[in-house]
Order: sequence, then C-alpha cells, then structure tokens
Amino acid sequence: DTAVSQTPKYLVTQMGNDKSIKCEQNLGHDTMYWYKQDSKKFLKIMFSYNNKELIINETVPNRFSPKSPDKAHLNLHINSLELGDSAVYFCASSQEVNTQYFGPGTRLTVL
Amino acid sequence: GQQLNQSPQSMFIQEGEDVSMNCTSSSIFNTWLWYKQDPGEGPVLLIALYKAGELTSNGRLTAQFGITRKDSFLNISASIPSDVGIYFCAGINNAGNMLTFGGGTRLMVKP
Repeated sequence: DTAVSQTPKYLVTQMGNDKSIKCEQNLGHDTMYWYKQDSKKFLKIMFSYNNKELIINETVPNRFSPKSPDKAHLNLHINSLELGDSAVYFCASSQEVNTQYFGPGTRLTVL
Repeated sequence: GQQLNQSPQSMFIQEGEDVSMNCTSSSIFNTWLWYKQDPGEGPVLLIALYKAGELTSNGRLTAQFGITRKDSFLNISASIPSDVGIYFCAGINNAGNMLTFGGGTRLMVKP
C-alpha cells in the first residue's frame, strides 16, 4: 500500500547510456513531479505534470524526457547520461501544491 | 528565481536540547512549508504555514511564518535521537504551482 513508489531504488550505469526511472502513485492525485537532489542535498524541481500534461519544465536539458502515460504514472527517461547527472531523483505527487508526497528516491550513479 | 537561505547548515546537539533553525528569502512567499528527510528516504511534510505571523505546532515542533513573509523558523523542543535528519524549508512560488526548497539543515542528535 505504498503511496508513491519509484523503481529502481539504485541505478549504476556508464556515461553515454540511456536509462529510465519509473514512478507510480496510488493516491489519486492529479499532479506529479520529478525533483533532483544533488550531493549537497539541494532539492530542485525538474518537471511537473497535471493530468498527463506538462506544466513545469525548469530548464532541464532536453536529454531528460518525462512521460506520463496516465495520471498515476510519471516516468523519466534520460539519454546520453553524463557524470553530472549523478544524483538522487525523487518523484512526488499532490492534489494541492502545498501537500506533496515524495517517493523513496532513485540514486543514480554515472561512471 | 526565488531562493531560500537556510541556517544553520548543520547542527550537532545533545539529546534533550531545544533546536532552532530558520529560513529567509529575498522575496515574499505566500506559503511556507517545513519538511524532514530521513536518511535514504524522501522528504515528509511536517508543518504548513499560510498566513503572515502564523504560529503552528505539531507535537514537539513549532514553526512560524514571519510577518514580512520573507522568513520562517522551525523549533524542535526536547530533541530525541529520531529527530536526526535534514530539515528543509520550502515556499510556494507566486504562480502557486511550484515549491522552492532551501538548502536544508542537517540535524545530528547525540544520545
């Protein structure tokens, strides 16, 4: 009965590879988000989707492409991975922006 | 864009002590939020503040929304080991559709 789940929990890959992270929420929320947390723990919004439509794109490189097949899922595909992409990626969902529920995070390590 | 500055960056205290941390911004926020992130987990909402001057408690936690709407503080009374984690302040942007996070305060509690 996990509220917001992400897979995988850990992802180790080589530079230049393409990888995807999946997120699912069972809370019935309309809005989902992707955040990036760097090694200094700064947490920054990347994307936000409302009912499968992109509403926020915070100047993220176009190597990052979110996809929302339905409002319960928001996946993140990353092309041509770079060293600087290493971080923890958090998915979140909410009905109102002030009550966001975060997933457990995906730790991406690019070698 | 809007930025939030949190201080202190880290604190190491003795169990039973009270803790205070704050968050300031160069611009006005209409809503302030405080989150806690446990190691290896996503942030969890602790307290939400909606009105300037508002003082809100959640158990041993108390937070206040500054009168100028450019700051907020969080107090933890009688700290216990499970208070360990990173505490983030966050504000909702003017468009009301995005959270901006502070850099976090890392709290360590010595039993």
